[in-house]
Amino acid sequence: DAGVTQSPTHLIKTRGQQVTLRCSPKSGHDTVSWYQQALGQGPQFIFQYYEEEERQRGNFPDRFSGHQFPNYSSELNVNALLLGDSALYLCASTATGAGNTIYFGEGSWLTVV
Amino acid sequence: AQTVTQSQPEMSVQEAETVTLSCTYDTSESDYYLFWYKQPPSRQMILVIRQEAYKQQNATENRFSVNFQKAAKSFSLKISDSQLGDAAMYFCAYRRSFGNEKLTFGTGTRLTIIP
Repeated sequence: DAGVTQSPTHLIKTRGQQVTLRCSPKSGHDTVSWYQQALGQGPQFIFQYYEEEERQRGNFPDRFSGHQFPNYSSELNVNALLLGDSALYLCASTATGAGNTIYFGEGSWLTVV
Repeated sequence: AQTVTQSQPEMSVQEAETVTLSCTYDTSESDYYLFWYKQPPSRQMILVIRQEAYKQQNATENRFSVNFQKAAKSFSLKISDSQLGDAAMYFCAYRRSFGNEKLTFGTGTRLTIIP
């Protein structure tokens, strides 16, 4: 049983460009969340998708957007990249229901130069 | 808003000894979950242990146990018989108990195991 998978593992972008990160949830999971982890910090919640809709959103600007597909996989898009967007982006999945365990992928390392 | 505080940026322990990592949190909720996640150099967050706030009994998973003090809003992690593989960043996290609520993380504690 594959866990949460993310791609790409590492990427380098130039300031002002756009990036798309991808996530496949663990089998049986229908809810996907994205977190940003800056170097030396704890992960910060970006948003959550369930039934192809954004259900919750953290304190991130509209440059951060996402999508969930019918197969529950998800994309995170960041437009007009800033140097401060350099971070590890973690995808997490869970099955709907209070108390269900949240599983994380290994993350996508984004460097903006 | 809920906050999670880890006041120990770094800790070290001799192999086979016991170490305790501290965590405090702030919430107005009465029902919630608390977690300890481990993040090794591979960067994947791995769940170590979880505690339901309505349970008075402290959670235990093999060498890992917690001391949950609800009134004090304290949630510490004790690692017994420390092993080299325990070296990692440890994050304390909070989650409200209903729905698919987000995790709120602390800033982490880097644990070093001394051979």
